[in-house]
Amino acid sequence: QVQLVQPETEVKRPGASVKVSCKASGYTFTSFGIYWVRQAPGRGLEWMGWINTDNGNTKYSQNFQGRVTINRDTFASTAFLELSNLKSEDTAVYFCARVGDPYLLLYADVWGQGTRVTVSS
Amino acid sequence: SFVVAQPPSVSVAPGQTATLTCGGDNIETKSVNWYQQRPGQPPVLVMFDDKDRPSGIPERISGSNSANTATLTISRVEAGDEADYYCQVWDSTSDHVVFGGGTTLTVL
Repeated sequence: QVQLVQPETEVKRPGASVKVSCKASGYTFTSFGIYWVRQAPGRGLEWMGWINTDNGNTKYSQNFQGRVTINRDTFASTAFLELSNLKSEDTAVYFCARVGDPYLLLYADVWGQGTRVTVSS
Repeated sequence: SFVVAQPPSVSVAPGQTATLTCGGDNIETKSVNWYQQRPGQPPVLVMFDDKDRPSGIPERISGSNSANTATLTISRVEAGDEADYYCQVWDSTSDHVVFGGGTTLTVL
């Protein structure tokens, strides 16, 4: 079946970077885009960015400009989110989600279980 | 960038109809998507392109979009509908995805 598999947890120090993976299975990876969305404890959903898994083009939220990088490995059917210069406010669950088109920012029809990233000294 | 507003909470008795709104300037010109999120779970798409249901979503959940308000309507509300609901659009001006702040649906 279609699924996106993410690691469960990551723990990082302030100032460090985190790289979260999202492995897709059950469909042709390059036929759908990928969103990254985060959710801080008790808060709503926040869009971080998107990657066209076919050609690698990306778009990033201005809220993370300069700190976020999204890329993919088509041979491994895996997308990656890297967030640098971590702060305690980056403590959140980070979700990847499949987008209904490789080129357009549409709805997200399949979601990973999320990776809980804790930033603490 | 485009701003979408959702009421923080809506309460409804079992069997009644819940109306969840998503407001934005001339939002009818955008495609609105809705997600349901239960505690500790990832979001689930329940409506896309204003009024299209993904497979597996019951017909008692419907969507509409007119003027400055998109609406998700849940008829014959059940205890299992209790969750947070988020609307989402793509803002062509900023080329960004925007989520509403979410509405918590409480079944009394």
